[in-house]
Amino acid sequence: DAKTTQPPSMDCAEGRAANLPCNHSTISGNEYVYWYRQIHSQGPQYIIHGLKNNETNEMASLIITEDRKSSTLILPHATLRDTAVYYCIVSIGNEKLTFGTGTRLTIIP
Amino acid sequence: SAVISQKPSRDICQRGTSLTIQCQVDSQVTMMFWYRQQPGQSLTLIATANQGSEATYESGFVIDKFPISRPNLTFSTLTVSNMSPEDSSIYLCSVASIADTQYFGPGTRLTVL
Repeated sequence: DAKTTQPPSMDCAEGRAANLPCNHSTISGNEYVYWYRQIHSQGPQYIIHGLKNNETNEMASLIITEDRKSSTLILPHATLRDTAVYYCIVSIGNEKLTFGTGTRLTIIP
Repeated sequence: SAVISQKPSRDICQRGTSLTIQCQVDSQVTMMFWYRQQPGQSLTLIATANQGSEATYESGFVIDKFPISRPNLTFSTLTVSNMSPEDSSIYLCSVASIADTQYFGPGTRLTVL
């Protein structure tokens, strides 16, 4: 699995968009970009994933650069409940996931 | 997405004993995995639970310490054997089907005294 690099921590004001970057410069052509979050030692929660195109669902948007070497997860209107550790993972479909250290996102009231 | 439950949700155990953790999913799935999250750390894959055959273990994990069963497509167990305080962690199961996303259970918080 390709390695990902994320900032260790970020703050975001409540109600603003939270933009979480991820670098995955060694991603291979058949690897997807997955995002999960973990709230206070609960089981990781799936957020979104994509291969090449930008993706949007009810939770977030995923922007993948054209060269696929980096991506950004966007939470459009952050709330206090979005405070969590966010993990960016590259993987081939439903195989084992290799978790890095993630980004600890704190939403500020 | 699949609904996944784990039992127990938490336990406190004495060193030298063993604990079996159950993972139940509400629909048949292709893949089941077991992860460990040590205090303050990220998740590490222990093994892939294979239905009808021996689990596939990651480097650093062995069957004698973490025996795994998967008797059918909706259930798996992980046993933590001969526990020591270093085994204090959150143990998580996850599931996935072909061409599907991997989903995680709520975890089992284990403390070994």
